[in-house]
Amino acid sequence: RKEVEQDPGPFNVPEGATVAFNCTYSNSASQSFFWYRQDCRKEPKLLMSVYSSGNEDGRFTAQLNRASQYISLLIRDSKLSDSATYLCVVTHSGGGADGLTFGKGTHLIIQP
Amino acid sequence: SQTIHQWPATLVQPVGSPLSLECTVEGTSNPNLYWYRQAAGRGLQLLFYSVGIGQISSEVPQNLSASRPQDRQFILSSKKLLLSDSGFYLCAWSVGSIYNEQFFGPGTRLTVL
Repeated sequence: RKEVEQDPGPFNVPEGATVAFNCTYSNSASQSFFWYRQDCRKEPKLLMSVYSSGNEDGRFTAQLNRASQYISLLIRDSKLSDSATYLCVVTHSGGGADGLTFGKGTHLIIQP
Repeated sequence: SQTIHQWPATLVQPVGSPLSLECTVEGTSNPNLYWYRQAAGRGLQLLFYSVGIGQISSEVPQNLSASRPQDRQFILSSKKLLLSDSGFYLCAWSVGSIYNEQFFGPGTRLTVL
């Protein structure tokens, strides 16, 4: 089983809809989780950290499910500008760079 | 505020030629620095990271090397490029633990012909 898995998509979603996607991880000792957004041919940009209690930033909500070992990202009232690839990052300390893993990303396309 | 610079933005090099990519960070001290490569249609691959001057951890055996001559400078080099070295090279920084959130530079798109 891969350490971090994401559905590559693409997810085609109409503007204004709500969309959610998950990122599963295999190491139960994982400690820190992040979501990044990457536009085509650009660098990844930190979208939000994922806290144990879940967190919200405007239209974006991130949640952590330790029991099932996945994190989720929910986007409400989606905008055309939300079209991008969303990368999850999972870390666990003590593993050197092996403790730092990026998913391959989920491609989201918001359609007018 | 912190900023990270990478150059050049794009580079086309022949097979067998040398490579030097530079990354500098401003507005922070003693950052962790990282080099990643993203090949077309693939995920981010961590190549090197550094927690301090002269300290380099290499994650993938390859014909690339990294150096950190100054606190906020990170250099990626190769003596002889291979076709497989083509990709999008990204530098990133973080503070504190190497597992904290990272912030990426604009990247260098390298094509080896």
